[in-house]
Amino acid sequence: AQTVTQSQPEMSVQEAETVTLSCTYDTSENNYYLFWYKQPPSRQMILVIRQEAYKQQNATENRFSVNFQKAAKSFSLKISDSQLGDTAMYFCAFMNAGNQFYFGTGTSLTVIP
Amino acid sequence: EPEVTQTPSHQVTQMGQEVILRCVPISNHLYFYWYRQILGQKVEFLVSFYNNEISEKSEIFDDQFSVERPDGSNFTLKIRSTKLEDSAMYFCASRKESSYNEQFFGPGTRLTVL
Repeated sequence: AQTVTQSQPEMSVQEAETVTLSCTYDTSENNYYLFWYKQPPSRQMILVIRQEAYKQQNATENRFSVNFQKAAKSFSLKISDSQLGDTAMYFCAFMNAGNQFYFGTGTSLTVIP
Repeated sequence: EPEVTQTPSHQVTQMGQEVILRCVPISNHLYFYWYRQILGQKVEFLVSFYNNEISEKSEIFDDQFSVERPDGSNFTLKIRSTKLEDSAMYFCASRKESSYNEQFFGPGTRLTVL
C-alpha cells in the first residue's frame, strides 16, 4: 500500500521569505504522479503543482517548485517570496497507476506579515 | 473556468438518518471520486466511479455508502444510516479521461451527525 508522510504539521514563514514543506512517500510502483494541493480556509483544494515520476526535471510553477528525489522517495515543495495568500493547509498527494489518490496529513502554513 | 460544485455546503442530520450529498462534476470529465476528511485529519479516499460503475473503493466505503450518477450531470453519495463518526467534510472530485491528470475538487459538504 502507498503511504504519504508529511512530518511538519505546522510551519510559519515571514512574508517574502522562502519556505520548504517536506513530503515522503512509500511505493513499489515505478510510474506514478505526485501533487501538492493547497487548501485555504475556504476549504476547497486547489492544485499547486504536479510531478511525473518518470521526469527527472523538477516541476516549477511560478513561485512554487519541487525537489523530487525519486530514489529517496521525497517530494518537497518550495515556496519562494511567500505571500499572505499562501496561508493554507498544504497536502502532498500520490497517484498510482490505478489513478487512486493517497494524501498526507497536511502541513498548516502561516505566512506572517 | 469550469469547476466542481457540491450541495449542500453544510448538512446536519440525526444519527440513523439517510443523507444524500450531491456533486456536479466538470462537464467533460469522466472519472468521479468521493473523499472524506474528518476534522483535523487527512483526506481519505472513499470511492472512484467510471463508466457508470464503481472502479475502486476503500475499506471505509462499506454497505452504508452508495454512489450514483442519476443523470448526465449529478454524482451523489448516499449514506443510508448515518453514525456519529460519519461527521466529516466530504469532497467530490472529477478528472478527465486522459491518464494521470489531476483531480479537480469541489468545495466540500460539511456533514454533522448529531
